[in-house]
Parts: sequence; C-alpha cells; structure tokens
Amino acid sequence: QKEVEQDPGPLSVPEGAIVSLNCTYSNSAFQYFMWYRQYSRKGPELLMYTYSSGNKEDGRFTAQVDKSSKYISLFIRDSQPSDSATYLCAIPPSRGGKLIFGQGTELSVKP
Amino acid sequence: KAGVTQTPRYLIKTRGQQVTLSCSPISGHRSVSWYQQTPGQGLQFLFEYFSETQRNKGNFPGRFSGRQFSNSRSEMNVSTLELGDSALYLCASSLGRGADTNEKLFFGSGTQLSVL
Repeated sequence: QKEVEQDPGPLSVPEGAIVSLNCTYSNSAFQYFMWYRQYSRKGPELLMYTYSSGNKEDGRFTAQVDKSSKYISLFIRDSQPSDSATYLCAIPPSRGGKLIFGQGTELSVKP
Repeated sequence: KAGVTQTPRYLIKTRGQQVTLSCSPISGHRSVSWYQQTPGQGLQFLFEYFSETQRNKGNFPGRFSGRQFSNSRSEMNVSTLELGDSALYLCASSLGRGADTNEKLFFGSGTQLSVL
C-alpha cells in the first residue's frame, strides 16, 4: 500500500464548476498536509498547506483534512480554465525537504 | 527574487553514460532537495542537502548521487544510465530551518532527461 494515494484522473469539468480533489494516506502520525499545483512543463508550486484536522480557505481554494479517516481534500470553487493543471497532494513524513507525493490528478476546466 | 534555476532544461544521453544536473536555489535558501518525476511512479524523493551535507535520502540505487556547494548550489549525478532513468528531474529549495516539518519547497522547472 502506498503511503499517499490519489486518483490520477483525468478530470474534466466546465468553467464555473466546483472541483473536488482527494487523497488518502496510511500513517496516522502525519500532521502536515500540502497541495501543489503543476502546470505543463513547469515544476510544482505550493498552493496550500494545513496542519492537523479542519479546513483552510484561500480565495477560491479550500483545503480540508479529516485525520480520523486519513483523508485530505482540495476544493476549487468557480473553476477557471487557468486552473487546468495537475494537482498533487504532499505530506512531509519528517522535518526537512522530503515530501511524499500523491500520483497527481490532472484537471481540465473547459470554457 | 530569482526562482530556482535548473540547467540544462533538456538532455539526451545513451545507456551507460553518466550525467550531471545543476540546481541554483533561491537566494538565502540553504536546503536543496531532488525529485524524480515519471508518468508511472509520479514524484519520488531522491535526496536532500543542507549545509553541504546529505540530510535525507530516498530509495534509489547508488548510481544516483549528489552534492551541495558552500554557496548552496547543488548538483546531482547519475552514472551508468539506464532506459528507466528517463524522467523529469526536479530540484526544490527551502529555507532549511530544520526544525519545521512544514518546509515550503520551491521547485525549479526541471531537467527533462531522455536515455536512449
């Protein structure tokens, strides 16, 4: 079993739709959770990070963590064509620069 | 502020050769991490350097190595290249405060390596 699992999609939605992206993880000791966005031919960029359970909102983006279910989500409201990218969940298993990434979900928002 | 710079952008090598990739971190960042990205395996951690010392290592064979210089610039080397080494190699830098578990990584655009 992989430590972090993510449905690779692809996911195609019309402009303005609400998008839900999800990951599950196996280790209940994980405490920090991140979402990265990667555009084609670019490196990933940090979108949001959360600590422990709960929600965190940033504009049209909401990150949600349910530690009891070991489930993390990223919601995108009023999706735009510019949101078309691959979204990766990531978890640091310990201090430092090591991250465990999900497989990434490829999102396409159609005008 | 300049971002993470990786060179070269593209590289074509043949099996058995070796390759060196370069990464210049964001000014002031002391930690550099390397990742391999493939369609099948996704993003996988290779290693991390902090203050010229390897601080963390992923599950890759010894053919993959790296180093960090006193100015925080880093290089990674892959020897005896195999077809399966074809991938996007990404470098990420962070402040490297060490005690934080939520280090924000800033990625470069990567080096696309093709092994023929």
